[in-house]
Amino acid sequence: RKEVEQDPGPFNVPEGATVAFNCTYSNSASQSFFWYRQDCRKEPKLLMSVYSSGNEDGRFTAQLNRASQYISLLIRDSKLSDSATYLCVVRNAGNNRKLIWGLGTSLAVNP
Amino acid sequence: DGGITQSPKYLFRKEGQNVTLSCEQNLNHDAMYWYRQDPGQGLRLIYYSQIVNDFQKGDIAEGYSVSREKKESFPLTVTSAQKNPTAFYLCASHPSLGSTDTQYFGPGTRLTVL
Repeated sequence: RKEVEQDPGPFNVPEGATVAFNCTYSNSASQSFFWYRQDCRKEPKLLMSVYSSGNEDGRFTAQLNRASQYISLLIRDSKLSDSATYLCVVRNAGNNRKLIWGLGTSLAVNP
Repeated sequence: DGGITQSPKYLFRKEGQNVTLSCEQNLNHDAMYWYRQDPGQGLRLIYYSQIVNDFQKGDIAEGYSVSREKKESFPLTVTSAQKNPTAFYLCASHPSLGSTDTQYFGPGTRLTVL
């Protein structure tokens, strides 16, 4: 089983739609969780951290479910510019601070 | 402006040649990382350094070498021993071991070996 798993998609949605991605992780001791966005042929950029109580940033909402070991990202009122790959990232406990990366979920928002 | 720079953006080399990719940051971050990304695959960690003059192998270090002589710089050398060097190489940095912050990336170098 991979340490971080995501549905690769692609998710094709119309503008204005609400779309949700899930990501599961295998290490119950994982400490920190993030969603990154990566545009085609560009570097990943931090979209948002995921906090235990859930957090929202504009149209984006992230949630963490430690019991079931998954995190989610909800995008409301999708824009064409939201089209990208969304990477789920987990940091485990330990001194090396390594991040474990999911393969990403591809989103295409269509006019 | 503070940030991470990588150069060059595109690099072409002949098979059998060593090549060095540059990564510089002026964020005063302690930790720096090198990743490789191939089509359809996630980011794979090559090497990382948590402090000057120290670095550790990541998951796919074979065929690569690094140095960390200065806090700001973490160059990656792709040697002729790397069997499939063509890839997108990403450098990242992170504030410090005690920080809960995450990693920030440079724009990447796309290496093509002919």
